[in-house]
Amino acid sequence: AVQLVESGGGLVQPGKSLKLSCSASGFTFSSYGMHWIRQAPGKGLDWVAYISSSSGTVYADAVKERFTISRDNAKNTLYLQLNSLKSEDTAIYYCAREDYRGWFAYWGQGTLVTVSS
Amino acid sequence: DIVLTQSPALAVSLGQRATISCKTNQNVDYYGNSYMHWYQQKPGQQPKLLIYLASNLASGIPARFSGRGSGTDFTLTIDPVEADDTATYYCQQSRNLPFTFGSGTKLEIK
Repeated sequence: AVQLVESGGGLVQPGKSLKLSCSASGFTFSSYGMHWIRQAPGKGLDWVAYISSSSGTVYADAVKERFTISRDNAKNTLYLQLNSLKSEDTAIYYCAREDYRGWFAYWGQGTLVTVSS
Repeated sequence: DIVLTQSPALAVSLGQRATISCKTNQNVDYYGNSYMHWYQQKPGQQPKLLIYLASNLASGIPARFSGRGSGTDFTLTIDPVEADDTATYYCQQSRNLPFTFGSGTKLEIK
């Protein structure tokens, strides 16, 4: 069965960095585009970043120049490097697998990032 | 970026029909497909895919859920609603990157 498991969240001070991981199993990870999507407490879903199967990347304007998405196909793992964190980056961060025409049939359970002094 | 607009809340009586709308500021159709998808999210859970490409039922989703629409106007229908359908429902477009979501419609079952 397809499984996505995020890790690496936690409490971090403004301006600091954090690296999230998403471990994938149950499918050929290298063949799929992957996304990070976040959800601030009590708010809606907010798309963050995308990496294609060939490692092309796209970012939301709010995180461009601060976040970096990457993947290690040998380890079946997706990453999100979060730098220069702001309080407004506080959210649950989900990884999701993109299917065929851009829908997300598989999501991880999310990892909570809290940015606070 | 494509903006998706949803009404914030809807209350429907048990056993009745719920219709949730999603309007976009740009056409999300491309070569015969409407790049619009629907998700259900319950508190403390990740979103669950209900409908993909506007009208296709995702695996394991009951036929009470249906989607329709094209261009810039889309609807998700639940008929009949059950108590377990209490949740927030999101639309999402994949016509263009960045993919975007609607702000969500919170469904209350009376």
